Amino acid sequence: AQSVTQPDIHITVSEGASLELRCNYSYGATPYLFWYVQSPGQGLQLLLKYFSGDTLVQGIKGFEAEFKRSQSSFNLRKPSVHWSDAAEYFCAAYGGATNKLIFGTGTLLAVQP
Amino acid sequence: GAGVSQSPRYKVAKRGQDVALRCDPISGHVSLFWYQQALGQGPEFLTYFQNEAQLDKSGLPSDRFFAERPEGSVSTLKIQRTQQEDSAVYLCASSPAQGTEAFFGQGTRLTVV
Repeated sequence: AQSVTQPDIHITVSEGASLELRCNYSYGATPYLFWYVQSPGQGLQLLLKYFSGDTLVQGIKGFEAEFKRSQSSFNLRKPSVHWSDAAEYFCAAYGGATNKLIFGTGTLLAVQP
Repeated sequence: GAGVSQSPRYKVAKRGQDVALRCDPISGHVSLFWYQQALGQGPEFLTYFQNEAQLDKSGLPSDRFFAERPEGSVSTLKIQRTQQEDSAVYLCASSPAQGTEAFFGQGTRLTVV
């Protein structure tokens, strides 16, 4: 079955430190991949997406993600985290015979001063 | 409009009451999705429309849930005889075409008491 896995439920980093949020997918073929961010009481905002081509994707707010086919991964990174990055991050995938955008369970990011 | 608009933002329903949640997608967007997000969880797919056609309703949890998009723009998600387990945030998203980026509304938080 198609699925998206985010192994880390909760991550805490210090402001200014680097960040990597993990995402793995299980699909028959390479799906379209997305990272969304959700602040409390808000909808989902797209950070970046991967459809094809360059495996390192740049997004908004200084985020980037790298697609690794061999690992079925699409990890999100940021070199220096800001306090305003505290939010929940969702990895999602779209592909195969379905029209569904399937989400992982999310990673809640806390930023320490 | 500028984005996906959902109304109401908050809804409190007594158990057994019927509710209707509205979604105004971005003008011209062909695809429309409904998701259910329980507290602390990722969004779960409910149903998908392409224009006025409901192409996938496999995620609707029971026959108490019904969605429509009669003119291919505004959509309504109706829940009959609400139960406590229906309490969640209901997210609507639209996209210009199948397989492209989905834009999310801020959601409707439904609380069944």
